[in-house]
Amino acid sequence: GENVGLHLPTLSVQEGDNSIINCAYSNSASDYFIWYKQESGKGPQFIIDIRSNMDKRQGQRVTVLLNKTVKHLSLQIAATQPGDSAVYFCAEFTGANSKLTFGKGITLSVRP
Amino acid sequence: DAGVIQSPRHEVTEMGQEVTLRCKPISGHDYLFWYRQTMMRGLELLIYFNNNVPIDDSGMPEDRFSAKMPNASFSTLKIQPSEPRDSAVYFCASSNPSTGYYGYTFGSGTRLTVV
Repeated sequence: GENVGLHLPTLSVQEGDNSIINCAYSNSASDYFIWYKQESGKGPQFIIDIRSNMDKRQGQRVTVLLNKTVKHLSLQIAATQPGDSAVYFCAEFTGANSKLTFGKGITLSVRP
Repeated sequence: DAGVIQSPRHEVTEMGQEVTLRCKPISGHDYLFWYRQTMMRGLELLIYFNNNVPIDDSGMPEDRFSAKMPNASFSTLKIQPSEPRDSAVYFCASSNPSTGYYGYTFGSGTRLTVV
């Protein structure tokens, strides 16, 4: 069959609204999680992290929520701005293999 | 700190040619990672080093790909011979988990086009 490109899911939000980006992680033993932002033409950049002994962490305009029961991670962006348009990746770290495992990525598109 | 430095930023080469991508990690970081990003497969880990020693190269696509880290401040990823399907953005990243922060710092990437 014909190969198709990796179509990332897209979240479209109005400028000024709050955004919620969700991620399901795979390993219940993961003990550290990071959200990365990748703008066009750049490498992924750190946004915020959270350890497994926490369920919420806040940064500047961003909040990460962790639900270990259902292995779910979310990134909330308050008052979304055009500069927030990017691909967002969640990543999980498991001490056993000493490396991050990245999710597929979600595209955030901000409408002016 | 200048961050992770990759060169070149863009590389266009003909099929069959040898390509060498370079990376300078952040000083003091003891882990170095090479990733490839394409629309087809997303972000793929190719190989990573700890203290200049390759730890896991299971992501290297085939024998045409090789990576070295001769010292703590320099690594190369070589493709010989290159093929059009190698066209992608290649990222280098480094980390120092002993600080308690397990995240990676990525370079700006090398966009490789093989024609």
